[in-house]
Amino acid sequence: QSVLTQPPSASGTPGQRVTISCSGSSSNIGSNTVNWYQQFPGTAPKVLIYNSDQRPSGVPDRFSGSKSGTSASLAISGLQSEDEADYYCAAWDDSLNGRGVFGGGTKLTVL
Amino acid sequence: EMQLVESGGGLVQPGGSLRLSCAASGFTFSNYAMTWVRQAPGKGLEWVSSISGSGGSAYYADSVKGRFTISRDNFKNTLYLQMNSLRVDDTAIYYCAKVNRYSYTDLDCWGQGTLVPVSS
Repeated sequence: QSVLTQPPSASGTPGQRVTISCSGSSSNIGSNTVNWYQQFPGTAPKVLIYNSDQRPSGVPDRFSGSKSGTSASLAISGLQSEDEADYYCAAWDDSLNGRGVFGGGTKLTVL
Repeated sequence: EMQLVESGGGLVQPGGSLRLSCAASGFTFSNYAMTWVRQAPGKGLEWVSSISGSGGSAYYADSVKGRFTISRDNFKNTLYLQMNSLRVDDTAIYYCAKVNRYSYTDLDCWGQGTLVPVSS
């Protein structure tokens, strides 16, 4: 299983606010920044959040990230049908001489 | 515009070798660390390896350590992944990605991916 723990699925109706959690440990989220990626079927991932709570230019402000202790969250407000995708959290892990770790991914369904 | 283009994927038998390439453009390649990430069919993302901008530091997932080697040619603006002793469970789409700033998983530009099926 993945070092970072995400719920396998999440859902919401258009306009709703949805939150996706990402749980780690002191060696990864607890001591490093968190990234969030969005991936549509058949395409490469795209960064949504970097440095735990920063949005790259071009990412709508409906997407926000936060981190507290060894957990992080991605919130999507004003849910839209085009937000239906897979979402992954990621962080650097300081154990074992350093390694990257991803969450298992969360499939978001817009009902 | 930043761009990454992977190549070198293709069907390989178990125990075989393959070298992936990732051609970079639109940014000063030598200034940035790079990362390989893979995705097995129907599965999630898995970090594979990262390398510093100079090439002096490299990191590997336990699943590929001793079999894969990451390298770069800063004159050719190209990243490589040499994969030896390939196993069926190495079957995946392999993405190269540019590291932004904060960590080797802070990836702001991804290639389109190259498929590596390992099968007899």
